[in-house]
Amino acid sequence: KAGVTQTPRYLIKTRGQQVTLSCSPISGHRSVSWYQQTPGQGLQFLFEYFSETQRNKGNFPGRFSGRQFSNSRSEMNVSTLELGDSALYLCASSLAGPYNEQFFGPGTRLTVL
Amino acid sequence: TQLLEQSPQFLSIQEGENLTVYCNSSSVFSSLQWYRQEPGEGPVLLVTVVTGGEVKKLKRLTFQFGDARKDSSLHITAAQPGDTGLYLCAGARDYKLSFGAGTTVTVRA
Repeated sequence: KAGVTQTPRYLIKTRGQQVTLSCSPISGHRSVSWYQQTPGQGLQFLFEYFSETQRNKGNFPGRFSGRQFSNSRSEMNVSTLELGDSALYLCASSLAGPYNEQFFGPGTRLTVL
Repeated sequence: TQLLEQSPQFLSIQEGENLTVYCNSSSVFSSLQWYRQEPGEGPVLLVTVVTGGEVKKLKRLTFQFGDARKDSSLHITAAQPGDTGLYLCAGARDYKLSFGAGTTVTVRA
């Protein structure tokens, strides 16, 4: 069974730009969660989608948004990038939600200059 | 502020030694998951503990969930270089998974 894939793996942007990250979950998984990982803060929960609906959201500004498609693939968008947005963005899929085992992708390393 | 506090932040030991990583909170969790993350990869689930006081063993790894379901520990016996990685605990609560900042474990050969 193919694992969670994330594209792109690396991204360099400048302040003020916007970025879209993509996540393809494991086949059959309907829940997709997004996390931001930084050395100082660890993994911070961004949001979780299940069957195209956002079920939960973390404490991030409105510049961070996401969506999920009917095939469970998910995208995350960050607008008006700031230097502090530089991080590893991880996507995790599961059968039913955060209480189940999370299968993580390798992440997208975003650098904002 | 982290909902889950992990200690120590860093741990460097010799092969064959034992180690314990702690995960503490003032909040009660429905369950607690432990993950290990290696450089360039996403975290991989090691175990999920659900019942207060529960102890689970996975070969040389022993996981314990506190009686009050607020804390957990991970003990590794006779550590090997392959145990090197970032160990993360994650508590399930309010339909969210909250992660600790992690403990970086280095096992020297």
